[in-house]
Amino acid sequence: DGGITQSPKYLFRKEGQNVTLSCEQNLNHDAMYWYRQDPGQGLRLIYYSQIVNDFQKGDIAEGYSVSREKKESFPLTVTSAQKNPTAFYLCASSIAGAGGFYEQYFGPGTRLTVT
Amino acid sequence: AQSVAQPEDQVNVAEGNPLTVKCTYSVSGNPYLFWYVQYPNRGLQFLLKYITGDNLVKGSYGFEAEFNKSQTSFHLKKPSALVSDSALYFCAVRDRRRQTGANNLFFGTGTRLTVIP
Repeated sequence: DGGITQSPKYLFRKEGQNVTLSCEQNLNHDAMYWYRQDPGQGLRLIYYSQIVNDFQKGDIAEGYSVSREKKESFPLTVTSAQKNPTAFYLCASSIAGAGGFYEQYFGPGTRLTVT
Repeated sequence: AQSVAQPEDQVNVAEGNPLTVKCTYSVSGNPYLFWYVQYPNRGLQFLLKYITGDNLVKGSYGFEAEFNKSQTSFHLKKPSALVSDSALYFCAVRDRRRQTGANNLFFGTGTRLTVIP
């Protein structure tokens, strides 16, 4: 988990509220990613960013939004439009490059519970 | 199209015995393959990767993986399992669906390894 921090570790919200999850990295990586993990489904990509001020939708972007104003930071907002927001959210970063063979480094995760 | 499959949800092995966690893949072009481990309520930790070269890749904590092109497999192995190896293991393949230069990964559903003392 070194080099990437996510806060808070546990987050509780009422249905209908937007919530923002923090992700910060000090690895000097250009690329950052957000995943959602649900039991038995592995990791699914929500959004990713290859460079500051640019980001792309992943496989399950609906109901989520991101920003990338700084290289170190890639916050994820879970909006009220997300139908099933309760999950474990993981942030990752990697070197960006044309090769596509750089591993990703993960933060410790945020467990979001919406009731 | 691409996919990665981990056919076993759960693997149990006795401490000291060799362990194998299976992964098969389907990709177009050369596969870039990765293994990660996740301990409870933690993020994923990188173990090893295969890009090119030797089919036997050595990684962290004594783990290794064997790339087999004819069987499209990339099984994770360790000669002697430790109780502390008990965790969730993910196989991943480079996701080629998106823009060139992206290091996106497509993950399998995970295999829970339990090492029995």
